[in-house]
Amino acid sequence: AQTVTQSQPEMSVQEAETVTLSCTYDTSESDYYLFWYKQPPSRQMILVIRQEAYKQQNATENRFSVNFQKAAKSFSLKISDSQLGDAAMYFCASTTPTSGYALNFGKGTSLLVTP
Amino acid sequence: EADIYQTPRYLVIGTGKKITLECSQTMGHDKMYWYQQDPGMELHLIHYSYGVNSTEKGDLSSESTVSRIRTEHFPLTLESARPSHTSQYLCASSGDRGSYEQYFGPGTRLTVT
Repeated sequence: AQTVTQSQPEMSVQEAETVTLSCTYDTSESDYYLFWYKQPPSRQMILVIRQEAYKQQNATENRFSVNFQKAAKSFSLKISDSQLGDAAMYFCASTTPTSGYALNFGKGTSLLVTP
Repeated sequence: EADIYQTPRYLVIGTGKKITLECSQTMGHDKMYWYQQDPGMELHLIHYSYGVNSTEKGDLSSESTVSRIRTEHFPLTLESARPSHTSQYLCASSGDRGSYEQYFGPGTRLTVT
């Protein structure tokens, strides 16, 4: 069984600053994938970044990067130079082959960006 | 934006009604999924499909059924809606390119009175 835990229900960051969203996961499988998804208010869920468990290098996508600590089962998301458009609900998720590659989501972190 | 569509976007119905939520994708993806997002924003897998004529139940027993007769179409049916079914329903699909990322539709917000 997989579990994903996001311990921060809400976070706030000022425009242009950096914020880190936390996520821990638990799985007994060696083959798995991790994702961060963003869901803006009343808008579509979109992929922010993904990480394959077999890759040691941390994934980056423009202003978004992850800190993947495999031994600690930690997968945090860092948003640099925060923008007003980054305000959204952020979900951490995991998937494995044995789950049919269905996503197992954390409870989400609501990110507020202040001017 | 991903080419995955859901209709209707909003639906208000009375208890006991039968409803079908539509989901279609034009990406040729084999895998499709239905998630229920409760008012607290938590997401739960309710059904998924590996391909045509393949359907599996997820973790949450939502008293719904699905079918997959065509690759692009994955409708969800509630035989008898109840107030506990009030939620947002998200459809998603993924291909076999090795990344396993899922593309989501805009969702159907269902209210059962």
